[in-house]
Amino acid sequence: KAGVTQTPRYLIKTRGQQVTLSCSPISGHRSVSWYQQTPGQGLQFLFEYFSETQRNKGNFPGRFSGRQFSNSRSEMNVSTLELGDSALYLCASSPAGQSSYEQYFGPGTRLTVT
Amino acid sequence: QKEVEQNSGPLSVPEGAIASLNCTYSDRGSQSFFWYRQYSGKSPELIMSIYSNGDKEDGRFTAQLNKASQYVSLLIRDSQPSDSATYLCAVRLGGKLIFGQGTELSVKP
Repeated sequence: KAGVTQTPRYLIKTRGQQVTLSCSPISGHRSVSWYQQTPGQGLQFLFEYFSETQRNKGNFPGRFSGRQFSNSRSEMNVSTLELGDSALYLCASSPAGQSSYEQYFGPGTRLTVT
Repeated sequence: QKEVEQNSGPLSVPEGAIASLNCTYSDRGSQSFFWYRQYSGKSPELIMSIYSNGDKEDGRFTAQLNKASQYVSLLIRDSQPSDSATYLCAVRLGGKLIFGQGTELSVKP
């Protein structure tokens, strides 16, 4: 099976702009979660989508949003970028259902905000 | 108190030794526990999951869970230089995965 894929892999944006990141889960996986990883804060949960619905949300401002499509692919959007949004953004997919919570990560998108 | 705590390391062990990585968590409602390995510049890779008290072995890896003590550990037997990485402990709580800061492991030849 192909793994989780994320596009783009690298992105440079200017403060104030917005960005959209894409994630395709492992085939058959219906849950997609997004994380932000920085050296200072580590891996922090952003949100999880399951069957096109946001199932869980972390403690991030409303500038961070996401959605999931009927084919389980997901996108996350960050509006009004700030310098502190520079990070590795990771997507992880999981098989359907709450009982199966093993998550498999994609390669990530490295976002740099200047 | 952080929800998931790990010693940041670095933990240095000689090749062939046992590496012991520890993790504590604060919420007794935590249900599932995971160990991920992350090489520098790469994304986390799931290496072990454990759901009930006791030990779970997979090859050279053994995960240990003690819910009464709110403690989970990972033992790596016969450590190899290729095991040098950051090891992340993750705990499922309220539908979210909460990660520790990670322990950097260095295996010296």
